[in-house]
Amino acid sequence: GAGVSQSPRYKVAKRGQDVALRCDPISGHVSLFWYQQALGQGPEFLTYFQNEAQLDKSGLPSDRFFAERPEGSVSTLKIQRTQQEDSAVYLCASSLERGYAYNEQFFGPGTRLTVL
Amino acid sequence: AQSVTQLGSHVSVSEGALVLLRCNYSSSVPPYLFWYVQYPNQGLQLLLKYTSAATLVKGINGFEAEFKKSETSFHLTKPSAHMSDAAEYFCAVSDKSYGGSQGNLIFGKGTKLSVKP
Repeated sequence: GAGVSQSPRYKVAKRGQDVALRCDPISGHVSLFWYQQALGQGPEFLTYFQNEAQLDKSGLPSDRFFAERPEGSVSTLKIQRTQQEDSAVYLCASSLERGYAYNEQFFGPGTRLTVL
Repeated sequence: AQSVTQLGSHVSVSEGALVLLRCNYSSSVPPYLFWYVQYPNQGLQLLLKYTSAATLVKGINGFEAEFKKSETSFHLTKPSAHMSDAAEYFCAVSDKSYGGSQGNLIFGKGTKLSVKP
């Protein structure tokens, strides 16, 4: 079956531009996570959805970052007025049930964002 | 708060040699621990996980890891390395700030494994 997909795979933005990154989770998966992976680092948690509800956005680095999942499936991560420090790979992951700590998360290939 | 430390950002082994990737965790509650592998331009794939059942966990591709509470370690091993094992490996602990009801992961910085022919 299809895994988690993300688009675009690569995005180059000029500083100050707005960008939107899309995640298509595995069909039927309740939980959806966004992570940010800077070069040479492990992924860091950004935000968590259970169906359409955004239950945790504590990892979003600033109010320029916004995420939504309006119908409980596809999710979009939006970054306004991009800065160079936003350059990273943005990973999306989904899991079947509500986010129990032992559940396996299935990761997409990521979107590599480069801000010039 | 939970955290993960991976010793060695880069490990190089010969094909057929033992693979040992080190992971130490910090957690005030019994942890759930994971090892993920990341191939170039691909997403992370789960190798194995520890969820407080058996302390020796077997995963895919011949990898296994042993949970040692006394050493706060969860090292990943494979008896015989294959060229296809070359990738980056991440150890992670599940954030239990929400009593285990959320599940976001806290990752180490990763270890890049090279396999020499």
